[in-house]
Amino acid sequence: DTAVSQTPKYLVTQMGNDKSIKCEQNLGHDTMYWYKQDSKKFLKIMFSYNNKELIINETVPNRFSPKSPDKAHLNLHINSLELGDSAVYFCASSQDLSRPEAFFGQGTRLTVV
Amino acid sequence: AQSVTQLGSHVSVSEGALVLLRCNYSSSVPPYLFWYVQYPNQGLQLLLKYTSAATLVKGINGFEAEFKKSETSFHLTKPSAHMSDAAEYFCAVSSIQGAQKLVFGQGTRLTINP
Repeated sequence: DTAVSQTPKYLVTQMGNDKSIKCEQNLGHDTMYWYKQDSKKFLKIMFSYNNKELIINETVPNRFSPKSPDKAHLNLHINSLELGDSAVYFCASSQDLSRPEAFFGQGTRLTVV
Repeated sequence: AQSVTQLGSHVSVSEGALVLLRCNYSSSVPPYLFWYVQYPNQGLQLLLKYTSAATLVKGINGFEAEFKKSETSFHLTKPSAHMSDAAEYFCAVSSIQGAQKLVFGQGTRLTINP
């Protein structure tokens, strides 16, 4: 009964490949996010969606494309992976835009070699 | 724009001692403030939040924080540290106004000495 679940937990891939990370929340929340945590543990928002609509795109390269098929899912597809994309990616959700308290998934550790 | 500064990237205390993790924020609109904890190889767990109600906020695991507008601070405290408190702690700011996102501080690693 995990609230926010991401798959896979670990992802090792070669430069130039395309990969996807999936996220699902069973909290009934309207708003979902992707955050990136770099090697120094710094967390920064990438995207947010509210009821499948893109709200925030925080100057992320076009190689990153989020997709929200419904409000319970927010997937992240990354094209042409680069070494600098190595990080931990966290999916999160909040009840709606007026309540920014976010619940986080366990993270996906992406390593590009 | 909003920002958060956590003073001290690493704090070390003895078991049973007071824990004090410092957080100062900058916000042009009334802020919402949060403390999250991250255990190794895990996601972030919400410890407590301030959303313009009581300025002294109690959270899980015996932690509390006080919102001081005049000092633009939201420091996290716990009277008596336990070994299980060892983790990375993040302060974050958001607001009901404008784009809804959490802006995080750099994190503070808390080490507990036996």
